[in-house]
Amino acid sequence: SQQGEEDPQALSIQEGENATMNCSYKTSINNLQWYRQNSGRGLVHLILIRSNEREKHSGRLRVTLDTSKKSSSLLITASRAADTASYFCATELYNNNDMRFGAGTRLTVKP
Amino acid sequence: DVKVTQSSRYLVKRTGEKVFLECVQDMDHENMFWYRQDPGLGLRLIYFSYDVKMKEKGDIPEGYSVSREKKERFSLILESASTNQTSMYLCASSFQGARAGVTIYFGEGSWLTVV
Repeated sequence: SQQGEEDPQALSIQEGENATMNCSYKTSINNLQWYRQNSGRGLVHLILIRSNEREKHSGRLRVTLDTSKKSSSLLITASRAADTASYFCATELYNNNDMRFGAGTRLTVKP
Repeated sequence: DVKVTQSSRYLVKRTGEKVFLECVQDMDHENMFWYRQDPGLGLRLIYFSYDVKMKEKGDIPEGYSVSREKKERFSLILESASTNQTSMYLCASSFQGARAGVTIYFGEGSWLTVV
């Protein structure tokens, strides 16, 4: 079954604006990761946050994790047209090696 | 750089055909995965393997089988292809290490159309 669910399903913003995507999950996790997928291509890892971390930064990306609410958010600041892609959260379940992905958020950044 | 290579980018097969999707990784990863991606459904795990000759069912294994005879190669087999298996198939690999946080590396995907 799907573990993560992203919200919104689609997001359209202007270049320079910030984009926020949310992910909710159902069971206890070891860590949560965000991936990006350009249209028709494979997924690329963006950032990982462990279950004992609350916030993490990488360049223009900021990820938060609230394990009490079983939710995470990905913030992309000062967005660019090149950020147009689908973004997925993935959870590594406790005591498992397999990863579960959500349905993704389709981000469109208009120039 | 880690490389996960899927042998075919685009395939068209007939209903009832046996289909092989091949995947090779060059980073000595223990784990390998096959996902299926459909619009609105995201990625769904079909099978994963944590070692040679070992496999675990994912969420949607019906109609599929897998083979892992060598560590670097993980094959997805559609025994008798059906039109509802038309989809994009993604292979991935990673090191093992629950709790450590492992990055999954994906191939470019194989677009399969069953007619």
